[in-house]
Amino acid sequence: GAVVSQHPSRVICKSGTSVKIECRSLDFQATTMFWYRQFPKQSLMLMATSNEGSKATYEQGVEKDKFLINHASLTLSTLTVTSAHPEDSSFYICSAIRDRDYEQYFGPGTRLTVT
Amino acid sequence: GEDVEQSLFLSVREGDSSVINCTYTDSSSTYLYWYKQEPGAGLQLLTYIFSNMDMKQDQRLTVLLNKKDKHLSLRIADTQTGDSAIYFCAEKWSTDKLIFGTGTRLQVFP
Repeated sequence: GAVVSQHPSRVICKSGTSVKIECRSLDFQATTMFWYRQFPKQSLMLMATSNEGSKATYEQGVEKDKFLINHASLTLSTLTVTSAHPEDSSFYICSAIRDRDYEQYFGPGTRLTVT
Repeated sequence: GEDVEQSLFLSVREGDSSVINCTYTDSSSTYLYWYKQEPGAGLQLLTYIFSNMDMKQDQRLTVLLNKKDKHLSLRIADTQTGDSAIYFCAEKWSTDKLIFGTGTRLQVFP
């Protein structure tokens, strides 16, 4: 089956530092990936659409200079939270669209805690 | 609009049926999905329905779609304690992005 992994699964960082989260499609190619964030007891909110070889498309209200997205290959997208603050603490989930049939598969999520 | 509404909480007795409702706003959505999320975990796709269908059944799961009212429901037959989780409906836009509902927390008691 199609598997999407995220690394790390949990990360704690200090306020003001940057943290990188990886999203990999393990057994398929994905030109398009999505990044979502989920606050406790809330729904998933789409942050941005990541496209291989081009700039990400950010949803309204999401700061592109704070949440840097790089989709360097057909199997890897990274989200870097720059100058993290406690309010950035959240559960970040990625998904990948499989190129051959456009099915979407979700990663297991990364829990970020900023102290 | 992007608001996909769900009731927040549902409590059922083990063995009974559960019905989780969802109201969406974009009539041009092509697919509608149901996902399950257990505490601290990612999303598990349960089932989906194409927008030109009225009903889809998959083992214990039945999805009903009323396009006129933009209403989607998920019925779980013979609900078990392992079904306790948060359930999200989601609508797929033409750009492939998903807009998620607010989530319904299902609690199953013995």
